[in-house]
Amino acid sequence: GQSLEQPSEVTAVEGAIVQINCTYQTSGFYGLSWYQQHDGGAPTFLSYNALDGLEETGRFSSFLSRSDSYGYLLLQELQMKDSASYFCAVRVRTGANNLFFGTGTRLTVIP
Amino acid sequence: DGGITQSPKYLFRKEGQNVTLSCEQNLNHDAMYWYRQDPGQGLRLIYYSQIVNDFQKGDIAEGYSVSREKKESFPLTVTSAQKNPTAFYLCASSQRPGQAYEQYFGPGTRLTVT
Repeated sequence: GQSLEQPSEVTAVEGAIVQINCTYQTSGFYGLSWYQQHDGGAPTFLSYNALDGLEETGRFSSFLSRSDSYGYLLLQELQMKDSASYFCAVRVRTGANNLFFGTGTRLTVIP
Repeated sequence: DGGITQSPKYLFRKEGQNVTLSCEQNLNHDAMYWYRQDPGQGLRLIYYSQIVNDFQKGDIAEGYSVSREKKESFPLTVTSAQKNPTAFYLCASSQRPGQAYEQYFGPGTRLTVT
């Protein structure tokens, strides 16, 4: 089976930088995705890491270390609209390509 | 505009009734997925389909059924056998099965069964 761990809640100040960690245990690991979900809304894709290292997309960056089974999402220049839940998800091969989601980290950005 | 539509947004049913949730996409994506989300929880995979007329069980398929007769449509039926059906249901698609890491989600249907 698969298991993912991420903090349940994080609070950060507007304009600051926040890092959301994700550790995973899985077989057949292909890569790590990150999704954002505002309350009552649909998850939206943020990033995907298949190889070790840092991927940058605007204010958001995502990192993966396959040897440590660890990744993180880095949000810079936080804005109030970044308040949302963030999910890491492992891409695995269990007969077909699927995603297995973590339980999410609720980020609250305060003024 | 391309996207995924789910209807209705809110659905109320009595216990013992089957209910079908609609999911339509006009993204020309091959793969489609159904997830269930409970409060404060992650998304759990119910069923997925990589191609028309083919679908596979996910982690929590018991009490659910699906069909994929058209590429654009992937309806989910919540049967009376599902013991705890009240949840937020999300439909998603990806361009190819191999691109499951990047899924596009519909707005969801919130089902309440009493």
